[in-house]
Amino acid sequence: AQSVTQLDSQVPVFEEAPVELRCNYSSSVSVYLFWYVQYPNQGLQLLLKYLSGSTLVKGINGFEAEFNKSQTSFHLRKPSVHISDTAEYFCAVSGVGDYKLSFGAGTTVTVRA
Amino acid sequence: EAGVVQSPRYKIIEKKQPVAFWCNPISGHNTLYWYLQNLGQGPELLIRYENEEAVDDSQLPKDRFSAERLKGVDSTLKIQPAELGDSAVYLCASSSQPQETQYFGPGTRLLVL
Repeated sequence: AQSVTQLDSQVPVFEEAPVELRCNYSSSVSVYLFWYVQYPNQGLQLLLKYLSGSTLVKGINGFEAEFNKSQTSFHLRKPSVHISDTAEYFCAVSGVGDYKLSFGAGTTVTVRA
Repeated sequence: EAGVVQSPRYKIIEKKQPVAFWCNPISGHNTLYWYLQNLGQGPELLIRYENEEAVDDSQLPKDRFSAERLKGVDSTLKIQPAELGDSAVYLCASSSQPQETQYFGPGTRLLVL
């Protein structure tokens, strides 16, 4: 089975500042990794995913994440945030070829002017 | 293309009453998922359908929860009777194949009084 730990429950950040959301996973098999965003009162939207290949993954809205197998991490970054990036961010993992997603508890990002 | 549709968006009921949630997946998506999201947590899988067959319902509390996807398209999740602890967001997701990206609906927010 796989599991995810999101190391920060809340991240306040000023507009135009960079942000990093930390995610560590645990698995005995090879994994796929995902970041989803959930805006208030909405469902989850896929930001990016790592399946194989380049360890640096670029997603929508200027986000990117880096897969680090030795550190079992998949941290999400954005160089300059906007007010509209205020949301809940979820890291998720599945075994390769497995449909079952295991989500972290989420990180609340609050962007202030 | 329309996304995953869920209704109602909000539901308030008294404990011991029945409640039902409806989901219409993205057209052509054979795989449908129901997730439970408690406050401050990530989604947890309740049940997965491949067409009309429930292929993983191991996390569904079968004493009070039931689900159906009779024609392999839209699906209904039911709780009878509801308990206070069932207050949560119920998310529906779909994918074209089990290993493909899951697309989430906006969810139904349930409050049991």
